Amino acid sequence: GAVVSQHPSRVICKSGTSVKIECRSLDFQATTMFWYRQFPKQSLMLMATSNEGSKATYEQGVEKDKFLINHASLTLSTLTVTSAHPEDSSFYICSASGPGTGENIQYFGAGTRLSVL
Amino acid sequence: GESVGLHLPTLSVQEGDNSIINCAYSNSASDYFIWYKQESGKGPQFIIDIRSNMDKRQGQRVTVLLNKTVKHLSLQIAATQPGDSAVYFCAESISNFGNEKLTFGTGTRLTIIP
Repeated sequence: GAVVSQHPSRVICKSGTSVKIECRSLDFQATTMFWYRQFPKQSLMLMATSNEGSKATYEQGVEKDKFLINHASLTLSTLTVTSAHPEDSSFYICSASGPGTGENIQYFGAGTRLSVL
Repeated sequence: GESVGLHLPTLSVQEGDNSIINCAYSNSASDYFIWYKQESGKGPQFIIDIRSNMDKRQGQRVTVLLNKTVKHLSLQIAATQPGDSAVYFCAESISNFGNEKLTFGTGTRLTIIP
């Protein structure tokens, strides 16, 4: 149980385009989803926390207009990187937690590697 | 063990030996801790967790020890196998009615030598 699916696993796009990443909880209701960014050989940095049906809470320094987060249902959250630029290239990972995951453990998706040309 | 900065600490262990990965956490108010394993190109995988009212918890081949006095957490892996090679992160949080944010440590790369 507690499976989180993230799609796509890899995306390459041109500078200036927008990219949408989906995060789905497959076998539990994710009342809270989290979006992280990870640079090579570094730790995970939390970007934002989203609760179903509410606006996301962004961490300091994360541009909310740049990284649009939608958590419209208990099984789906999306992250849209708007007008992507090369400096947005990174590994983006989502996680989800909910009443059924036990101790509110966060379960992670497999990540999306974004490369902006 | 863990350290501040961009350099990822490394640990090499002979297959079959036990390994200990250390983590110094930062917030004395943290009351919930998790160890995650991350293989290359994948998302973190939950290994084991512990609450601050405990100082030890055991799982299958893994044991987590918590020393709140010195804000130190360790993960012991017994009888290591090649599949244990990965980066291991500790994470800390403060209970917040299901909205717990995790703060991740810098990670330790564990390499199992066949």
